[in-house]
Amino acid sequence: DQQVKQNSPSLSVQEGRISILNCDYTNSMFDYFLWYKKYPAEGPTFLISISSIKDKNEDGRFTVFLNKSAKHLSLHIVPSQPGDSAVYFCAARANFGNEKLTFGTGTRLTIIP
Amino acid sequence: DAEITQSPRHKITETGRQVTLACHQTWNHNNMFWYRQDLGHGLRLIHYSYGVQDTNKGEVSDGYSVSRSNTEDLPLTLESAASSQTSVYFCASSESWQDPDTQYFGPGTRLTVL
Repeated sequence: DQQVKQNSPSLSVQEGRISILNCDYTNSMFDYFLWYKKYPAEGPTFLISISSIKDKNEDGRFTVFLNKSAKHLSLHIVPSQPGDSAVYFCAARANFGNEKLTFGTGTRLTIIP
Repeated sequence: DAEITQSPRHKITETGRQVTLACHQTWNHNNMFWYRQDLGHGLRLIHYSYGVQDTNKGEVSDGYSVSRSNTEDLPLTLESAASSQTSVYFCASSESWQDPDTQYFGPGTRLTVL
Protein backbone atom coordinates (compact mmCIF):
# COMPACT_ATOMS: atom_id res chain seq x y z
CA ASP A 1 0.00 0.00 0.00
CA GLN A 2 1.71 3.15 -1.26
CA GLN A 3 0.86 5.85 1.27
CA VAL A 4 2.75 8.55 -0.61
CA LYS A 5 2.33 8.66 -4.37
CA GLN A 6 4.10 10.57 -7.08
CA ASN A 7 2.15 9.63 -10.18
CA SER A 8 4.46 11.28 -12.70
CA PRO A 9 7.69 9.30 -13.07
CA SER A 10 9.17 12.03 -15.25
CA LEU A 11 8.66 15.63 -16.25
CA SER A 12 10.40 17.84 -18.82
CA VAL A 13 10.26 21.62 -18.56
CA GLN A 14 11.82 24.40 -20.62
CA GLU A 15 14.47 26.46 -18.84
CA GLY A 16 12.97 29.60 -17.31
CA ARG A 17 9.46 28.14 -17.10
CA ILE A 18 7.70 26.84 -14.00
CA SER A 19 8.13 23.22 -12.90
CA ILE A 20 5.28 21.71 -10.90
CA LEU A 21 5.80 18.39 -9.17
CA ASN A 22 2.87 16.68 -7.51
CA CYS A 23 2.46 14.32 -4.57
CA ASP A 24 -0.61 12.64 -3.07
CA TYR A 25 -0.92 10.86 0.25
CA THR A 26 -3.50 8.62 1.83
CA ASN A 27 -2.61 8.59 5.53
CA SER A 28 -4.54 11.33 7.34
CA MET A 29 -2.09 11.08 10.26
CA PHE A 30 0.69 12.64 8.18
CA ASP A 31 1.32 16.15 9.49
CA TYR A 32 4.72 17.10 8.11
CA PHE A 33 5.89 16.93 4.52
CA LEU A 34 9.29 17.28 2.88
CA TRP A 35 10.77 17.44 -0.58
CA TYR A 36 14.20 16.01 -1.32
CA LYS A 37 16.31 16.41 -4.43
CA LYS A 38 18.62 13.65 -5.62
CA TYR A 39 21.41 13.77 -8.17
CA PRO A 40 22.88 10.55 -9.62
CA ALA A 41 25.39 8.78 -7.36
CA GLU A 42 24.56 11.08 -4.45
CA GLY A 43 22.28 10.87 -1.44
CA PRO A 44 19.01 12.83 -1.31
CA THR A 45 19.32 16.38 -0.03
CA PHE A 46 16.63 18.32 1.77
CA LEU A 47 14.93 21.00 -0.27
CA ILE A 48 11.90 22.37 1.54
CA SER A 49 9.26 21.27 4.02
CA ILE A 50 5.79 22.21 5.22
CA SER A 51 3.82 21.56 8.36
CA SER A 52 0.14 20.66 8.20
CA ILE A 53 -0.73 23.90 10.00
CA LYS A 54 0.32 25.82 6.88
CA ASP A 55 -0.82 25.71 3.28
CA LYS A 56 2.23 27.31 1.71
CA ASN A 57 5.94 27.59 2.36
CA GLU A 58 8.36 29.47 0.17
CA ASP A 59 12.15 29.43 -0.06
CA GLY A 60 13.65 31.36 -2.94
CA ARG A 61 12.65 29.73 -6.21
CA PHE A 62 10.92 26.85 -4.41
CA THR A 63 7.39 26.89 -3.04
CA VAL A 64 5.47 24.00 -1.56
CA PHE A 65 1.68 24.05 -1.42
CA LEU A 66 -0.37 21.77 0.81
CA ASN A 67 -4.06 20.99 0.30
CA LYS A 68 -5.03 18.90 3.31
CA SER A 69 -8.61 18.28 2.24
CA ALA A 70 -7.38 16.79 -1.03
CA LYS A 71 -4.36 15.13 0.63
CA HIS A 72 -2.20 16.71 -2.05
CA LEU A 73 0.97 18.73 -2.10
CA SER A 74 2.94 20.26 -4.90
CA LEU A 75 6.39 21.72 -5.38
CA HIS A 76 6.74 24.73 -7.66
CA ILE A 77 10.12 25.74 -9.03
CA VAL A 78 10.26 29.07 -10.79
CA PRO A 79 12.16 29.89 -12.83
CA SER A 80 13.49 26.42 -13.63
CA GLN A 81 17.24 26.14 -14.18
CA PRO A 82 19.38 23.38 -15.73
CA GLY A 83 20.81 22.56 -12.29
CA ASP A 84 17.31 21.63 -11.16
CA SER A 85 17.45 18.48 -13.31
CA ALA A 86 17.30 15.70 -10.72
CA VAL A 87 14.95 13.19 -9.13
CA TYR A 88 12.59 14.74 -6.59
CA PHE A 89 11.14 12.73 -3.74
CA CYS A 90 8.16 13.71 -1.67
CA ALA A 91 8.18 12.41 1.93
CA ALA A 92 5.73 12.49 4.82
CA ARG A 93 5.84 11.98 8.57
CA ALA A 94 3.08 11.14 11.03
CA ASN A 95 2.96 12.81 14.44
CA PHE A 96 5.59 15.24 15.54
CA GLY A 97 8.35 13.37 17.34
CA ASN A 98 7.92 10.25 15.22
CA GLU A 99 10.97 10.59 13.04
CA LYS A 100 10.17 7.94 10.41
CA LEU A 101 9.61 9.20 6.88
CA THR A 102 7.49 7.58 4.16
CA PHE A 103 8.74 8.38 0.67
CA GLY A 104 7.08 8.58 -2.70
CA THR A 105 8.54 6.86 -5.75
CA GLY A 106 10.12 10.01 -7.14
CA THR A 107 9.77 12.21 -10.22
CA ARG A 108 12.67 12.73 -12.59
CA LEU A 109 12.73 16.38 -13.64
CA THR A 110 14.61 17.36 -16.77
CA ILE A 111 15.13 21.03 -17.55
CA ILE A 112 15.56 21.64 -21.27
CA PRO A 113 17.97 24.50 -22.08
CA ASP B 1 32.24 19.99 9.00
CA ALA B 2 29.87 17.34 10.31
CA GLU B 3 28.98 14.67 7.80
CA ILE B 4 27.59 11.21 7.23
CA THR B 5 29.67 8.63 5.37
CA GLN B 6 28.98 5.18 4.00
CA SER B 7 31.37 2.40 3.09
CA PRO B 8 31.97 0.73 0.82
CA ARG B 9 30.49 2.83 -1.99
CA HIS B 10 30.23 -0.22 -4.22
CA LYS B 11 30.09 -3.89 -3.28
CA ILE B 12 29.67 -7.06 -5.29
CA THR B 13 28.99 -10.25 -3.38
CA GLU B 14 27.62 -13.72 -3.92
CA THR B 15 24.32 -15.22 -2.87
CA GLY B 16 24.43 -16.60 0.65
CA ARG B 17 27.32 -14.48 1.92
CA GLN B 18 27.03 -12.20 4.93
CA VAL B 19 27.58 -8.54 4.09
CA THR B 20 27.92 -5.52 6.35
CA LEU B 21 27.47 -1.96 5.15
CA ALA B 22 28.92 0.78 7.33
CA CYS B 23 27.35 4.12 8.21
CA HIS B 24 29.14 6.75 10.29
CA GLN B 25 27.88 10.21 11.21
CA THR B 26 29.65 13.03 12.98
CA TRP B 27 26.52 15.13 13.54
CA ASN B 28 26.05 13.51 16.98
CA HIS B 29 22.46 12.76 15.97
CA ASN B 30 20.42 10.35 18.04
CA ASN B 31 18.28 9.10 15.12
CA MET B 32 19.70 6.94 12.35
CA PHE B 33 17.98 5.18 9.46
CA TRP B 34 18.69 2.71 6.67
CA TYR B 35 16.79 2.84 3.37
CA ARG B 36 16.99 0.99 0.10
CA GLN B 37 16.20 2.62 -3.20
CA ASP B 38 14.71 0.59 -6.03
CA LEU B 39 13.15 1.69 -9.30
CA GLY B 40 9.42 2.06 -8.91
CA HIS B 41 9.59 1.96 -5.11
CA GLY B 42 11.37 5.12 -4.08
CA LEU B 43 13.15 4.86 -0.73
CA ARG B 44 11.91 2.20 1.67
CA LEU B 45 12.83 2.06 5.34
CA ILE B 46 14.75 -1.04 6.43
CA HIS B 47 15.69 -0.37 10.07
CA TYR B 48 16.03 2.65 12.30
CA SER B 49 17.40 3.63 15.69
CA TYR B 50 16.51 6.43 18.08
CA GLY B 51 19.61 6.03 20.24
CA VAL B 52 22.31 3.70 21.55
CA GLN B 53 21.01 0.15 22.07
CA ASP B 54 17.72 1.04 20.36
CA THR B 55 16.81 -0.61 17.04
CA ASN B 56 13.48 -0.94 15.24
CA LYS B 57 12.22 -2.69 12.12
CA GLY B 58 11.07 -0.73 9.11
CA GLU B 59 8.78 -1.81 6.30
CA VAL B 60 11.33 -4.08 4.51
CA SER B 61 13.42 -5.51 7.37
CA ASP B 62 13.40 -9.21 6.44
CA GLY B 63 16.95 -10.47 5.85
CA TYR B 64 18.57 -7.41 7.44
CA SER B 65 19.78 -6.55 10.92
CA VAL B 66 21.35 -3.54 12.65
CA SER B 67 23.03 -2.83 15.95
CA ARG B 68 23.71 0.50 17.66
CA SER B 69 26.59 0.37 20.12
CA ASN B 70 27.47 4.07 19.92
CA THR B 71 25.94 7.32 18.67
CA GLU B 72 28.05 7.59 15.51
CA ASP B 73 27.56 4.21 13.81
CA LEU B 74 24.69 2.07 12.56
CA PRO B 75 26.04 -0.87 10.51
CA LEU B 76 23.56 -2.78 8.34
CA THR B 77 24.09 -6.54 8.02
CA LEU B 78 22.63 -8.78 5.36
CA GLU B 79 22.63 -12.18 7.07
CA SER B 80 22.59 -14.23 3.86
CA ALA B 81 22.63 -12.07 0.75
CA ALA B 82 19.96 -12.72 -1.88
CA SER B 83 19.66 -11.39 -5.43
CA SER B 84 16.53 -9.50 -4.35
CA GLN B 85 18.77 -7.42 -2.09
CA THR B 86 20.62 -5.93 -5.04
CA SER B 87 19.90 -2.26 -4.53
CA VAL B 88 21.29 1.12 -3.56
CA TYR B 89 21.38 1.58 0.21
CA PHE B 90 21.23 4.95 1.95
CA CYS B 91 21.93 5.75 5.54
CA ALA B 92 20.45 8.88 7.13
CA SER B 93 20.54 10.64 10.47
CA SER B 94 18.48 13.30 12.20
CA GLU B 95 17.96 14.97 15.52
CA SER B 96 14.53 15.58 16.98
CA TRP B 97 13.49 19.20 17.47
CA GLN B 98 16.21 20.48 15.16
CA ASP B 99 15.91 23.27 12.59
CA PRO B 100 15.59 22.45 9.75
CA ASP B 101 13.58 19.39 10.69
CA THR B 102 14.96 16.87 8.21
CA GLN B 103 17.07 13.77 7.74
CA TYR B 104 20.59 14.03 6.35
CA PHE B 105 21.61 11.31 3.91
CA GLY B 106 24.90 9.62 3.14
CA PRO B 107 26.14 9.15 -0.44
CA GLY B 108 24.85 5.59 -0.73
CA THR B 109 26.24 2.09 -1.24
CA ARG B 110 25.48 0.23 -4.44
CA LEU B 111 25.24 -3.48 -3.62
CA THR B 112 25.12 -6.18 -6.26
CA VAL B 113 24.34 -9.76 -5.24
CA LEU B 114 25.28 -12.33 -7.90
